[in-house]
Amino acid sequence: EVQLVESGGGLVQPGGSLRLSCVVSGITFSGYWMHWVRQAPGKGLLWVSRINIDGARTDYADSVKGRFTISRDNAKNTLYLQMNSLRAEDTAVYFCAGALAYCGGDCYSFDHWGQGTLVTVSS
Amino acid sequence: SSELTQDPAVSVALGQTVRITCQGDSLRSYSASWYQQKPGQAPLLVIYDKNNRPSGIPDRFSGSSSGNTASLTITGAQAEDEADYYCNSRDSSGDHVLFGGGTKLTVL
Repeated sequence: EVQLVESGGGLVQPGGSLRLSCVVSGITFSGYWMHWVRQAPGKGLLWVSRINIDGARTDYADSVKGRFTISRDNAKNTLYLQMNSLRAEDTAVYFCAGALAYCGGDCYSFDHWGQGTLVTVSS
Repeated sequence: SSELTQDPAVSVALGQTVRITCQGDSLRSYSASWYQQKPGQAPLLVIYDKNNRPSGIPDRFSGSSSGNTASLTITGAQAEDEADYYCNSRDSSGDHVLFGGGTKLTVL
């Protein structure tokens, strides 16, 4: 069974930093692009970032570019999101997600999601 | 364009058919996927690559596309289909992923 388990969320002050992790099991993690998607309280889904299989290619939503860094450690089957210069508007549940079953490569049909980790930016 | 537009809310009578739409210029080049999300849960993929259902998704869910509009149709809506539905695709550059704003489906 494929599982994605996020951790690292919590309360942080504006301007602070936080690193999220997503441990993936049940698949060959190194064979898949991975993504972060967030959802502010009561709001819709917003794509945040993606990373290719070896970490050489990354892309970011305009709202986080320059502040967030996505990375991965294929030896540890773990995806990361380093979040710096956090703002109140970054408050959200952060999901890691992947297109692991139905399409390959750079695919955006996310068939597996973690349970999400809540990041709250507040003083 | 860097947007996918959905109607905020739609309602359907139990057992009837409902169509949820998603509009965006990038849909002329890229297919849409559709997700169902219930309160407190992660999204669930219900349609991928325009009109393919993942394993375990009932066949009352179907997808279609024409021009800049993708549609999710539920034929014979059930009470358990009440949820938020999101479309996603790429933006016009192909480098970013977009989500629509979501449609809240109420089954009456």
